Amino acid sequence: EAGVTQSPTHLIKTRGQQATLRCSPISGHTSVYWYQQALGLGLQFLLWYDEGEERNRGNFPPRFSGRQFPNYSSELNVNALELEDSALYLCASSLMKGLYNEQFFGPGTRLTVL
Amino acid sequence: AQSVAQPEDQVNVAEGNPLTVKCTYSVSGNPYLFWYVQYPNRGLQFLLKYITGDNLVKGSYGFEAEFNKSQTSFHLKKPSALVSDSALYFCAVRGYILTGGGNKLTFGTGTQLKVEL
Repeated sequence: EAGVTQSPTHLIKTRGQQATLRCSPISGHTSVYWYQQALGLGLQFLLWYDEGEERNRGNFPPRFSGRQFPNYSSELNVNALELEDSALYLCASSLMKGLYNEQFFGPGTRLTVL
Repeated sequence: AQSVAQPEDQVNVAEGNPLTVKCTYSVSGNPYLFWYVQYPNRGLQFLLKYITGDNLVKGSYGFEAEFNKSQTSFHLKKPSALVSDSALYFCAVRGYILTGGGNKLTFGTGTQLKVEL
């Protein structure tokens, strides 16, 4: 069974640009989560999508947004990039049925903002 | 609000010795607790979870964790450490949907485990 996949592996942008990160969940998983892992800040929850709807949002500005497609894959968009957006962005997926299912993580996208 | 504390930034253990990585939590309602491991330049790998039931939870790669409600702790343990266990370990607590936790995981700051020969 294929795991969670993310693309691209690395992304280099300049301040003010927009970045788009993509995630494909494990087959059968309907929930997708996005986390930011920045140096010194640990892992921070960004967004949760399930069945195409945004279900919960972390404490991030509105320039962080995303969506989930009918095939349950997801996109994270970061507008007006700032230097402090440089981080590893991790996507995770889980089964929504059965509330206590673990989340399975992808390898991440390393975003560097210059 | 939910929170997780991992009091040790780094734990050093000799190969073959038992290891413990500490975690304490704070959450409203019943705790749903997880341990994940991260190897360099990789995503997080699920190790084990506590939802309910036995206080001793067994997981992948010989790891286990002990849930202690009175001490609000969920320490990760392994009877005999391997050099290949060297990695970054994260404890996490999951919010309860009906109380607004929103299904997100709240992570501790991570503990770097170093197992030496």
